[in-house]
Amino acid sequence: EIVLTQSPGTLSLSPGERATLSCRASQSVSSSYLAWYQQKPGQAPRLLIYGASSRATGIPDRFSGSGSGTDFTLTISRLEPEDFAVYYCQQWRTFGQGTKVEIK
Amino acid sequence: EVQLLESGGGLVQPGGSLRLSCAASGFTFSSYAMSWVRQAPGKGLEWVSAISGSGGSTYYADSVKGRFTISRDNSKNTLYLQMNSLRAEDTAVYYCAKGPWAAVAGTTFDYWGQGTLVTVSS
Repeated sequence: EIVLTQSPGTLSLSPGERATLSCRASQSVSSSYLAWYQQKPGQAPRLLIYGASSRATGIPDRFSGSGSGTDFTLTISRLEPEDFAVYYCQQWRTFGQGTKVEIK
Repeated sequence: EVQLLESGGGLVQPGGSLRLSCAASGFTFSSYAMSWVRQAPGKGLEWVSAISGSGGSTYYADSVKGRFTISRDNSKNTLYLQMNSLRAEDTAVYYCAKGPWAAVAGTTFDYWGQGTLVTVSS
């Protein structure tokens, strides 16, 4: 069973700053099936990135995904107030434990 | 517009049963795999179960195998989760989620419902 480990657990940043979130798999995974989600309090998750690097419909281009093999990254180029949330990576049956991006 | 509306959650005693439903609209339901994903209070996301577009293939997390059954009625555009022998650790918000294709393997979740809360407590 693949384990996805996200780091850091919490990221404290200011609006306008760049956020870099990591997702590391316990074994090599297909980039085609690596996705990232955003979840705000009281809301359902929302798909941001699929196939490791493709933005989902309606997702702003400040969100980008990259990586392959065991190491994947979600980058938010300039944080907007609405981007403060929890982010999860996912591959098939497995979710990472999440990274909370909070306002510094 | 894709819409997923869960129902059927509530309070149930340990050992009890509950059936969740997810009514889908805005897409050709039978052409897409569907899943259930849950989130315990204050915790992360946990995949629970998935079913192919035809209903011919089903998958379960080890934590629910033998207790939960996923099914779908493509004529009614509805997904179900029958939950038996419920435990306190099954307490969570249960989301239904749509996959991007008919097959289950490797699925991601491109649309989510708003969730229904299941509380298992005496």
